[in-house]
Amino acid sequence: SQTIHQWPATLVQPVGSPLSLECTVEGTSNPNLYWYRQAAGRGLQLLFYSVGIGQISSEVPQNLSASRPQDRQFILSSKKLLLSDSGFYLCAQGASGANVLTFGAGSRLTVL
Amino acid sequence: QQPVQSPQAVILREGEDAVINCSSSKALYSVHWYRQKHGEAPVFLMILLKGGEQKGHEKISASFNEKKQQSSLYLTASQLSYSGTYFCGTDPVGNQFYFGTGTSLTVIP
Repeated sequence: SQTIHQWPATLVQPVGSPLSLECTVEGTSNPNLYWYRQAAGRGLQLLFYSVGIGQISSEVPQNLSASRPQDRQFILSSKKLLLSDSGFYLCAQGASGANVLTFGAGSRLTVL
Repeated sequence: QQPVQSPQAVILREGEDAVINCSSSKALYSVHWYRQKHGEAPVFLMILLKGGEQKGHEKISASFNEKKQQSSLYLTASQLSYSGTYFCGTDPVGNQFYFGTGTSLTVIP
């Protein structure tokens, strides 16, 4: 089975502060990993995806970055947060083959 | 890249049926459907891999028209537990996932 751990679950940060959200997964090796952001009442926006260690593809130009230092670790970062970065951040793992996504519980970020 | 869903929101009484549509401007490798309860992560419902394929999950089924690049989710005899936001996810190349705009479904007694 696949388990995804995300932390922190919630955080409130001032504008201009740095950010680090972590995601670790259990289960299959070399999974496809994804970061999504969901603004309040909105859909899921694909931010980054990774098919392997050190391999990151960015979907949306922004002040966020992602890294995959280990096979089962995916990190979302920012050097300086903006108000528009507020949202619900979801890490997801794609299973091999059909690539069905399993989501973590999410990290809710409020930037003030 | 983001598929378009319709309707944006729907309210049903228990026992009524609903259809949620998802269309993409790009050819699709697969279509997935997910349901998200308020404040929670989305949960996988079903995947459709071949054109014309239909899948079912309890009283929820879906179809995939590969040529039209469209998928529809059918909810029959809706239950209160069906409430939530439904997302279609499209995978144009095999490892990227773009989700639709979401459809808010509310089932009332």
